Amino acid sequence: RKEVEQDPGPFNVPEGATVAFNCTYSNSASQSFFWYRQDCRKEPKLLMSVYSSGNEDGRFTAQLNRASQYISLLIRDSKLSDSATYLCVVDGPSGTYKYIFGTGTRLKVLA
Amino acid sequence: SAVISQKPSRDICQRGTSLTIQCQVDSQVTMMFWYRQQPGQSLTLIATANQGSEATYESGFVIDKFPISRPNLTFSTLTVSNMSPEDSSIYLCSVGPGGSDTQYFGPGTRLTVL
Repeated sequence: RKEVEQDPGPFNVPEGATVAFNCTYSNSASQSFFWYRQDCRKEPKLLMSVYSSGNEDGRFTAQLNRASQYISLLIRDSKLSDSATYLCVVDGPSGTYKYIFGTGTRLKVLA
Repeated sequence: SAVISQKPSRDICQRGTSLTIQCQVDSQVTMMFWYRQQPGQSLTLIATANQGSEATYESGFVIDKFPISRPNLTFSTLTVSNMSPEDSSIYLCSVGPGGSDTQYFGPGTRLTVL
């Protein structure tokens, strides 16, 4: 089983749609969780951290389910500019500050 | 967040040669990491660059192939040695931890080996 698994997509959605991405992780001891966004031929950029109670940043909502070892990202009212690859990231062994990346989910928002 | 630059941004190299990639940060950082992103793949950690000591390599990566230097808290280099076409990839440095253990990435070096 991969340490961090994501559906690779692509997800093709119309502008204004709501889309959700899921991610599962294998290490129950993981403490830090993130969603990064990567545009084509660019470096990954932090979209948002994921907190136990769930958190929202504008149109983006992240949820964490520790019991199921599952993270989600919800994007409401999709914009063309949301088209990118979304990377689920989980921390590595405690104290190392390493990241473990999922393979990413491609999103394409269509006009 | 830190401002990170990498040099070169891209290069095309011949098989058997070596390339050194530089990573410069605009502030002192505790942790620096080197990642590889092969075409169509996600990021794989190569090593953690430790200031003043040898880098810590991940499984599948060795110092002879990817020597790393970290002479101070704002700078690191990664060398890709004795290159083969399989080394064609994007190489990214990152720094952290930021708030909530976040990391920030440099713009990457796109390497093509012929």
